[in-house]
Amino acid sequence: GAGVSQSPSNKVTEKGKDVELRCDPISGHTALYWYRQSLGQGLEFLIYFQGNSAPDKSGLPSDRFSAERTGGSVSTLTIQRTQQEDSAVYLCASSSPSGADTQYFGPGTRLTVL
Amino acid sequence: EDQVTQSPEALRLQEGESSSLNCSYTVSGLRGLFWYRQDPGKGPEFLFTLYSAGEEKEKERLKATLTKKESFLHITAPKPEDSATYLCAVRSTNKLIFGTGTLLAVQP
Repeated sequence: GAGVSQSPSNKVTEKGKDVELRCDPISGHTALYWYRQSLGQGLEFLIYFQGNSAPDKSGLPSDRFSAERTGGSVSTLTIQRTQQEDSAVYLCASSSPSGADTQYFGPGTRLTVL
Repeated sequence: EDQVTQSPEALRLQEGESSSLNCSYTVSGLRGLFWYRQDPGKGPEFLFTLYSAGEEKEKERLKATLTKKESFLHITAPKPEDSATYLCAVRSTNKLIFGTGTLLAVQP
């Protein structure tokens, strides 16, 4: 079946602009995660959604970052007033409710803030 | 604090030259250790999950093993197509904590 999809694949924006990144998880997966991968660094957890539960936002680096998940499926990560340090690859992952814990990743969105 | 350290940072092998990648971890209550492969410009691709010390899993030329403090990814007779970054992660509550990866280059 189809894997996790993300759009856009690349996004170039100017400092101070807002951006929205989209993630469409694997059908039937109830858990959805956002991570950030900066050059030379490991993947950094941002936020976690599980079903209808309140999201775990503990990894969001500032209040400029927010995310929502509509209808338990598609998720949007919004970065307001972008800064150059926000430049990174933003990865989305999803996992099934079976308890296997395996997270399957999308191809990522490369964000460049000029 | 939960932490994952991978070594070496980079490894260059000749085709057919077997080697191992190391992943050391500290976590309060291991709920799974994960290996992923990441090709340039792509998202991580799942390889293995290990849950308890002594567990081993194999896939083609790769074998992952787990002890109470570290995991090894053994690569037997690698081919150029095995070139990639290999990522190790441990599960901590609602998230995965990743190491910075080992960049493997296999030369023909």
